[in-house]
Amino acid sequence: DQQVKQNSPSLSVQEGRISILNCDYTNSMFDYFLWYKKYPAEGPTFLISISSIKDKNEDGRFTVFLNKSAKHLSLHIVPSQPGDSAVYFCAASANFGNEKLTFGTGTRLTIIP
Amino acid sequence: DTGVSQDPRHKITKRGQNVTFRCDPISEHNRLYWYRQTLGQGPEFLTYFQNEAQLEKSRLLSDRFSAERPKGSFSTLEIQRTEQGDSAMYLCASSSAGRRQETQYFGPGTRLLVL
Repeated sequence: DQQVKQNSPSLSVQEGRISILNCDYTNSMFDYFLWYKKYPAEGPTFLISISSIKDKNEDGRFTVFLNKSAKHLSLHIVPSQPGDSAVYFCAASANFGNEKLTFGTGTRLTIIP
Repeated sequence: DTGVSQDPRHKITKRGQNVTFRCDPISEHNRLYWYRQTLGQGPEFLTYFQNEAQLEKSRLLSDRFSAERPKGSFSTLEIQRTEQGDSAMYLCASSSAGRRQETQYFGPGTRLLVL
């Protein structure tokens, strides 16, 4: 069963606009959530995380929102830049990250110049 | 560069051969994870170590797979009698256990192709 779901396989956004990537989860034990960015033939690069005690975390152009009641999180990138074009993975863990990660299937973001 | 490193980056082998991959974690990290990623999927957990101890293994890890971390530093992942279905990207990640909000940092991966 897919415990972490990214229902949009791809997303195209104009440069300078906001990119919104979504993620849903089903396991109530998850309490720590991360976003990773991945370029082809490279390992995932950590972007930003949020624990279940918060509903928002911001780092520069990246903001992650968590809605625990809906079991939904989103990553906002603003303004979007061409270098943001990559595959973005949502991941979740229990025990505040002190356990294995469960990943979604990824969303390919393309920023259009 | 003090990030996670993996060797080799690419491996092509014939079905039935054995292969071994190495991972060197970030030096102060005591946890080391192995994941596998196939085309169109996110990484899937295989196993992890805290220091030398292997604490969890996924059901994905058949008896042809073995992982070690003998001195609590680098780790090796061996696949015996490779099958075409083993073709994937093998990813290693490391972290510091016990911290609240532990973050795993990934290496560049080893891409395996079994012919």
